[in-house]
Amino acid sequence: RKEVEQDPGPFNVPEGATVAFNCTYSNSASQSFFWYRQDCRKEPKLLMSVYSSGNEDGRFTAQLNRASQYISLLIRDSKLSDSATYLCAVNKDSGNTGKLIFGQGTTLQVKP
Amino acid sequence: SQTIHQWPATLVQPVGSPLSLECTVEGTSNPNLYWYRQAAGRGLQLLFYSVGIGQISSEVPQNLSASRPQDRQFILSSKKLLLSDSGFYLCAWIGAGKNIQYFGAGTRLSVL
Repeated sequence: RKEVEQDPGPFNVPEGATVAFNCTYSNSASQSFFWYRQDCRKEPKLLMSVYSSGNEDGRFTAQLNRASQYISLLIRDSKLSDSATYLCAVNKDSGNTGKLIFGQGTTLQVKP
Repeated sequence: SQTIHQWPATLVQPVGSPLSLECTVEGTSNPNLYWYRQAAGRGLQLLFYSVGIGQISSEVPQNLSASRPQDRQFILSSKKLLLSDSGFYLCAWIGAGKNIQYFGAGTRLSVL
């Protein structure tokens, strides 16, 4: 089993749709969780950190389910500009190394 | 504010040639630094990380090496490139006491 797994997609949705991605992780001791957005041929950029209580930033909502070991990202009212690859990341160890393990990413295509 | 610089942006090198990619961070001190590689259509693979000057940890055995000669400088090198070294190389950093990684713009390396 991969340490961090994502459905690669692509998810093709119309503008205005709501879309959700899941990301499962294998290390139950993981404490830090993130969603990054990566545009084609660009570097990943932090979209959101994921907190235990869940968090929302505009149209984006992130949730953490420790019991089932997954994090989710919900995008409401999709825009054309949301088209990108979304990477989840989970910390690899409990020390001060800050190492992250990334999923392979989920590709989202928002169509007009 | 903190910034991270990577160069060059693109590089085409023949098989067997040496490699040196540089990453520098500004506006912070004692960051953790990371080198990743992303092969075409794949996720991010952590290659090396460093928690301080001269401290390098390798995550996977490979044809590459890393060095940190100064606090905010991280260098990725190879003595002889292989075709399989082609990919998108990304440098990232975490500020002291933080846990969010920020990425440089990356170097797209093609080994021919």
